[in-house]
Amino acid sequence: DSGVTQTPKHLITATGQRVTLRCSPRSGDLSVYWYQQSLDQGLQFLIQYYNGEERAKGNILERFSAQQFPDLHSELNLSSLELGDSALYFCASSAAAGQGAGTFGSGTRLTVV
Amino acid sequence: EDKVVQSPLSLVVHEGDTVTLNCSYEVTNFRSLLWYKQEKKAPTFLFMLTSSGIEKKSGRLSSILDKKELFSILNITATQTGDSAIYLCAGNYGGSQGNLIFGKGTKLSVKP
Repeated sequence: DSGVTQTPKHLITATGQRVTLRCSPRSGDLSVYWYQQSLDQGLQFLIQYYNGEERAKGNILERFSAQQFPDLHSELNLSSLELGDSALYFCASSAAAGQGAGTFGSGTRLTVV
Repeated sequence: EDKVVQSPLSLVVHEGDTVTLNCSYEVTNFRSLLWYKQEKKAPTFLFMLTSSGIEKKSGRLSSILDKKELFSILNITATQTGDSAIYLCAGNYGGSQGNLIFGKGTKLSVKP
């Protein structure tokens, strides 16, 4: 157990739907990162939050959004889902903002049908 | 455009062999290079390299960074079947963001 908790572990949904993925960072970590891993693209950085504020954006689609709450857990919202959004979504956390993603959660496997 | 390229993409060896995995990078405002091992799900952290020429070791694994030639290698000696995994290399382009650009990974298969 890495200390980073992601729920749900698996999610199957239909095209056009909206889902929310949840992440609880490791205790004491203020920075949360979201990554998408697909077979053809590899691991792609989506967005980073630090202590409740958005810190950086990567290859995140406009249909996707995220936030980090006062208790430091984070949610990634994916809307108007397409087949190509099927992927493994990882959350990672680190203590400071500039450390990169130190500890990964076990991921949420999203399948869009 | 920032990129990280790993080679080979896949590798099959037998137990006891020594392997070298390669990672080259072009990362703006480069800060550090990280290696991860990904078995079934979550990548697990192996090394973070910030200085050229200083080898980091952990058991049978070692890694070194060359900031002049913009590459890093990960060595695994006396491989075991448990070393079978995807090894990911990532460049950290620092600043206050500290985000990572990952390579596509090297899939290592160690046969008994």
